[in-house]
Amino acid sequence: DIQMTQSPYSLAASVGDTVTITCRGVESINPYLNWYQHRPGRAPQLIIRSASRLQSGVPSRFSGSASGTEFTLTITHLQPEDFATYFCQESFRTPPNTFGQGTRLEI
Amino acid sequence: QVQLQESGPGLVKPSQTLSLTCTVSGGSINAGTYYWTWIRQSAGKALEWVGHIHTSGTTKYSASLEGRIVISMDTSKNQFSLGLRSVTAADTAVYYCARQFTGWSPGFDSWGQGALVTVSS
Repeated sequence: DIQMTQSPYSLAASVGDTVTITCRGVESINPYLNWYQHRPGRAPQLIIRSASRLQSGVPSRFSGSASGTEFTLTITHLQPEDFATYFCQESFRTPPNTFGQGTRLEI
Repeated sequence: QVQLQESGPGLVKPSQTLSLTCTVSGGSINAGTYYWTWIRQSAGKALEWVGHIHTSGTTKYSASLEGRIVISMDTSKNQFSLGLRSVTAADTAVYYCARQFTGWSPGFDSWGQGALVTVSS
């Protein structure tokens, strides 16, 4: 299995802030990584595919990037609806695919 | 837009069988090429891939659950199901059903809201 280490485990921020969340693998899988947003009581939502491709309907304040074995999700100008849990998923090979531990973004 | 919804008992006794069903709406379960997947999350842990059934009917299971798990599909009801035998407290988790697309950087583009299953006597 390809292990993904996601950090931080939790993050406190304010409306209008910019935050970054990181997923790191032990080998290069660039750009095979997806990001999800999970709001409480809702189904998780795929927001970024292939490290940096924003999914349709996702606001442009979300962005993804990759460098070597490190992948970053950046959210600028935080909005109230952005406070949620975010997790990564490696997509380097056919299933099963592994997930990061998740980052809880709190106000 | 495809929507998924899990259903099944929220409490299962140890050694018994956990059974969950995922009902798919807004699209046919046997259209296209997808992996219809079960994923679970125990408290404080990362999401864990449990297994899937491909649109073709081919199944694949987590190695750690092999021998206890069955995933099946009922195209007439547009549903797929999870059966997990001989459960223990370690199987207590929120169980999600999800659709994974194939091809480039395969991700999960539709999810259910999750169903909490507790294994306890």
